[in-house]
Amino acid sequence: DTEVTQTPKHLVMGMTNKKSLKCEQHMGHRAMYWYKQKAKKPPELMFVYSYEKLSINESVPSRFSPECPNSSLLNLHLHALQPEDSALYLCASSTTGSETNEKLFFGSGTQLSVL
Amino acid sequence: AQSVTQLGSHLSVSEGALVLLRCNYSSSVPPYLFWYVQYPNQGLQLLLKYTTGATLVKGINGFEAEFKKSETSFHLTKPSAHMSDAAEYFCAVSGAGGGNKLTFGTGTQLKVEL
Repeated sequence: DTEVTQTPKHLVMGMTNKKSLKCEQHMGHRAMYWYKQKAKKPPELMFVYSYEKLSINESVPSRFSPECPNSSLLNLHLHALQPEDSALYLCASSTTGSETNEKLFFGSGTQLSVL
Repeated sequence: AQSVTQLGSHLSVSEGALVLLRCNYSSSVPPYLFWYVQYPNQGLQLLLKYTTGATLVKGINGFEAEFKKSETSFHLTKPSAHMSDAAEYFCAVSGAGGGNKLTFGTGTQLKVEL
């Protein structure tokens, strides 16, 4: 199994809602990532978990809260988002996250619209 | 700081023609370089990567790239374009700051015409 599965595929939420994005992989990878991609732009790194510990936080606003319950699961909790947070949110995984040449395996993303 | 620059946000080629997607990098340490492809409504998929060793790297789907240190370039090529190659292509670099932290270029949208 070489897939990273993200749910939901689409999400529409109001600025006062609380929602969560989910990501799952069963490749035995120990690093998982959240990226944000605006339309026609490259992905921007948000968070990296390595061995279930948060190793990189790219100064993301606190309305985004990541969680890594175990090595196969990664969540992104959303609260009080702004319309400018509308984007494609991509999850990825790699073997350990500690080497700089690791291949990233990406999910298909969650297209988020904040109204 | 590391960065990559992709020349041309759009490229249109005829089916069967050569594909050349340009990428130049800037890095204070020996870089690791990657090309990823993104098909519509999909995540990114690794085409190929350069770490060390042979400077000509072969990837999936008939793509290859050559690392040229003297030109700080890592251009992606494919001898004969196919309709299925239409996608967004991102060059990326990693190597400094520890961890697997990729910096992506702005992307090139490839269109293949009959």
